[in-house]
Amino acid sequence: DIQMTQSPSTLSASVGDRVTITCRASQSISSWLAWYQQKPGKAPKLLIYKASSLESGVPSRFSGSGSGTEFTLTISSLQPDDFATYYCQHLGTFGQGTKVEIK
Amino acid sequence: QITLKESGPTLVKPTQTLTLTCTFSGFSLSTSGVGVGWIRQPPGKALEWLALIYWNDDKRYSPSLKSRLTITKDTSKNQVVLTMTNMDPVDTATYYCAHHRTSGSWIFDYWGQGTLVTVSS
Repeated sequence: DIQMTQSPSTLSASVGDRVTITCRASQSISSWLAWYQQKPGKAPKLLIYKASSLESGVPSRFSGSGSGTEFTLTISSLQPDDFATYYCQHLGTFGQGTKVEIK
Repeated sequence: QITLKESGPTLVKPTQTLTLTCTFSGFSLSTSGVGVGWIRQPPGKALEWLALIYWNDDKRYSPSLKSRLTITKDTSKNQVVLTMTNMDPVDTATYYCAHHRTSGSWIFDYWGQGTLVTVSS
């Protein structure tokens, strides 16, 4: 089974910061990676699919990159609404999540 | 627009079988490429994929839970049902169903609100 490992587990940042979250696959997955945002008590929301394709309606400050085994989710300028937990996903495997907290 | 909603018991006893229903609208499970998946999340923990059913009745299960899971669909009712046998307190979680779109890989683009299932005697 392919394992997905995210880093860091927690990230403290301020509004306006550029934030980068990394997701590593235990073997190559080409570009077959999605990113989700989840806020407390809410269902996850799809942000990025196929590693770098922005889902319709998602703000352009979110971007994804990478291929093979290493991927990144970048928020170019962190907004108050972006404090949440972020998950990467490949097929039936999710990463363990990265919580973005207010610094 | 696409909506999904989970329903089922909020409390089950250990060893019992859990049956959850996902009722959806805005798409048909007879349309090529479409699927519905189940994902759960224990309190304070990460997401865990459980099962997926496709428009053609092809089914996929989490390897670690495969022996306990059954997923079925009723296209006429726009429903997908997940059963999980031999429930244990570690199965306490919020259970989500989600619309799956095939775009080379698995993408869950619409999610239900989730339903919290507690396993306790």
